[in-house]
Amino acid sequence: RKEVEQDPGPFNVPEGATVAFNCTYSNSASQSFFWYRQDCRKEPKLLMSVYSSGNEDGRFTAQLNRASQYISLLIRDSKLSDSATYLCVVGNTGGFKTIFGAGTRLFVKA
Amino acid sequence: DVKVTQSSRYLVKRTGEKVFLECVQDMDHENMFWYRQDPGLGLRLIYFSYDVKMKEKGDIPEGYSVSREKKERFSLILESASTNQTSMYLCASTSQGLAGSLPGEQFFGPGTRLTVL
Repeated sequence: RKEVEQDPGPFNVPEGATVAFNCTYSNSASQSFFWYRQDCRKEPKLLMSVYSSGNEDGRFTAQLNRASQYISLLIRDSKLSDSATYLCVVGNTGGFKTIFGAGTRLFVKA
Repeated sequence: DVKVTQSSRYLVKRTGEKVFLECVQDMDHENMFWYRQDPGLGLRLIYFSYDVKMKEKGDIPEGYSVSREKKERFSLILESASTNQTSMYLCASTSQGLAGSLPGEQFFGPGTRLTVL
């Protein structure tokens, strides 16, 4: 079993739609969680960190469920510019290693 | 504007050649990483370094070595390139947290797409 698993998609949604991605992790000791965004042929960039209480940044909402060991990303009112691959990332306290999921591809169409 | 640069965007080498990939960051970060990214597998950690001259193996270090002689520069070396090392190579850096703190945001370079023939 992979340490971090994501549905690879692709998710094809119309503009204005709401779309949700889930990511599961296997190490119950994991302490930090992130969503990164990677555009085609570009490097990954941090989209948002995921906190225990959940957090929101504009149209994006991230949630953490420690009991079930998954994190989620919700995108509301999708824009064409949201088309990208979304990477789930999990890290542990005191270490420098973070584990990247393989990513979920999103296509937003007009 | 923070920056991580990599020496080449595209590289074509022959099997058996020695390959050097260079990464430089201007953020005074202590930690630097080398990943490779392959379709369906995501980013896999090859090596990382938390200080000058310090290095740690990641998940797939076989066939690779690294060098960190200066804080800002982290080099990945393929001693004898093989076709299964054809991949996208990404360098990243992050600042050192206080002891026991969590890993923070990683800043990535633009990547080097290496093809080994």
